[in-house]
Amino acid sequence: DAGVIQSPRHEVTEMGQEVTLRCKPISGHNSLFWYRQTMMRGLELLIYFNNNVPIDDSGMPEDRFSAKMPNASFSTLKIQPSEPRDSAVYFCASSFFTTNQPQHFGDGTRLSIL
Amino acid sequence: RKEVEQDPGPFNVPEGATVAFNCTYSNSASQSFFWYRQDCRKEPKLLMSVYSSGNEDGRFTAQLNRASQYISLLIRDSKLSDSATYLCVGDGERGNTPLVFGKGTRLSVIA
Repeated sequence: DAGVIQSPRHEVTEMGQEVTLRCKPISGHNSLFWYRQTMMRGLELLIYFNNNVPIDDSGMPEDRFSAKMPNASFSTLKIQPSEPRDSAVYFCASSFFTTNQPQHFGDGTRLSIL
Repeated sequence: RKEVEQDPGPFNVPEGATVAFNCTYSNSASQSFFWYRQDCRKEPKLLMSVYSSGNEDGRFTAQLNRASQYISLLIRDSKLSDSATYLCVGDGERGNTPLVFGKGTRLSVIA
């Protein structure tokens, strides 16, 4: 079975550019999560969706970050404009439910903003 | 107070050793606990769930201590391939909130 699929795997871009990260959750999973991971802060939950509806985006660091889930099989995380401090690994995860169920992670997108 | 706390390590142990990590949690009503493993430059992967009565999977044993609000992971007969970061996961502080991840404990198994 296919796991969570993220793209791109790596992204290097200059500050000020728009960055779009993509995620396809595991089929049948109703909850989708976007995380950012850095050495200093660990794994931070940015936003999560349940049945394609954003539930809590309080983890989104700034208005420069936005996320959408237009259907059950696709989500995007967008940063516009990007800044060097956004450099991190961004993970998407999915699970059957928001709570109580283990989350399954994609390979992540390693983002470098120059 | 952080919801899930772990000793970051690193724990450096020789091959064949037994090593244990603890993780404390703040939500006394928490019901769901997991251990994840994360290799360098890879995604976190589910290692095992933690059940109230404790559970074992090969060389790995997970236990829950509700009275003291911690979970533990015991690894017996450590292998070089066990070297990774182990993330403790528990319920969020409020009902209907997602799982929360600890920052991880780094383990290095040395030949």
